[in-house]
Amino acid sequence: GESVGLHLPTLSVQEGDNSIINCAYSNSASDYFIWYKQESGKGPQFIIDIRSNMDKRQGQRVTVLLNKTVKHLSLQIAATQPGDSAVYFCAAPLGLKTSYDKVIFGPGTSLSVIP
Amino acid sequence: ETGVTQSPTHLIKTRGQQVTLRCSSQSGHNTVSWYQQALGQGPQFIFQYYREEENGRGNFPPRFSGLQFPNYSSELNVNALELDDSALYLCASSLRGLGSTEAFFGQGTRLTVV
Repeated sequence: GESVGLHLPTLSVQEGDNSIINCAYSNSASDYFIWYKQESGKGPQFIIDIRSNMDKRQGQRVTVLLNKTVKHLSLQIAATQPGDSAVYFCAAPLGLKTSYDKVIFGPGTSLSVIP
Repeated sequence: ETGVTQSPTHLIKTRGQQVTLRCSSQSGHNTVSWYQQALGQGPQFIFQYYREEENGRGNFPPRFSGLQFPNYSSELNVNALELDDSALYLCASSLRGLGSTEAFFGQGTRLTVV
């Protein structure tokens, strides 16, 4: 079946450094990917998404890279701040392009920022 | 805040009991999806409701059921609770169709089965 997974369950970075969180997926037909951030006691929060016709997308302090050849994507956070400490999930929705009915989440990477 | 509210926030039930969890979707959203998140894991898709009908289901037994109401709010019902049902239950609301894909999650209901 489809799976989305992350390479490292935990990541510690120094405040001000850049963070890179990796994710691999199994379904070659996946055409849309989302990164979520989940802080303690809260639900997942949308960070950034990318469609399969792109290999890079930038947001505010975040960049997502997609390598369809090796079915890998990454989330880069620039100048990591204490408020970035959270669990990060990559996710791949399934279903029709107009209605992603089922979202497969990876197991998550817990990012800790060292002041 | 996302505008998606869930109730209750915490709940303790005994094995074999039944539980109902509630979700109010964000204004204008017509679709609600439910997820189960075990401790230390990613959310697992349970099912989705669109226009009051189940529209897709994950690998969960029939004792997990749901409803969606005309105002698009939703309930998740779990019968014959088992210890492994202890988890954070999340609902996400979205606007199906029109190419919209963004879903907004509530803060979740923490269910503990003892």
